[in-house]
Amino acid sequence: GQQLNQSPQSMFIQEGEDVSMNCTSSSIFNTWLWYKQDPGEGPVLLIALYKAGELTSNGRLTAQFGITRKDSFLNISASIPSDVGIYFCAGQRNGNKLVFGAGTILRVKS
Amino acid sequence: NAGVTQTPKFRILKIGQSMTLQCTQDMNHNYMYWYRQDPGMGLKLIYYSVGAGITDKGEVPNGYNVSRSTTEDFPLRLELAAPSQTSVYFCASLPPGSNYGYTFGSGTRLTVV
Repeated sequence: GQQLNQSPQSMFIQEGEDVSMNCTSSSIFNTWLWYKQDPGEGPVLLIALYKAGELTSNGRLTAQFGITRKDSFLNISASIPSDVGIYFCAGQRNGNKLVFGAGTILRVKS
Repeated sequence: NAGVTQTPKFRILKIGQSMTLQCTQDMNHNYMYWYRQDPGMGLKLIYYSVGAGITDKGEVPNGYNVSRSTTEDFPLRLELAAPSQTSVYFCASLPPGSNYGYTFGSGTRLTVV
């Protein structure tokens, strides 16, 4: 099936550092989404991107929809302990199904 | 609104047993989905439904069945549980015409021993 390659698989960073993660695909997507999953909970939508080249922020989070429509990036600035969790990218074409990346596990040292 | 509600939160099954994972949403969303989440593997689509009475297979449907008799409910059935079905199961929903992403339930952690 379709796959999204998400990297890195995990990160262990110092509080206050910036974080970057990305997703790439061999296929084009019309929408890119970034979710965060806290332990024991379902994923929650952070940012949605709808146009190639779009750059969107949500507080300390910034995400970009790649120009080729085959990739997306998520940056978190000045990380804090509550940023810990698993971050998933997801791509959506025409229609309603999402394809998910394998996730990036973020741990923050305070 | 309660959003997407899944029950139970945890369950241990013996090999060969059957069970139904419940999912209900009160947002009048037409589209509903079942995903399983395995460590390091992301979320894989099991089954989905675009409305009451309509269901379709996703990426990993083997060993599962679903039904959608109402807009609100989308139960997932395991008939003969196998260790390979040990996973965390998430239900999600989406209103028609939306490309804003799913609303997920909090998950059911299933262990088959």
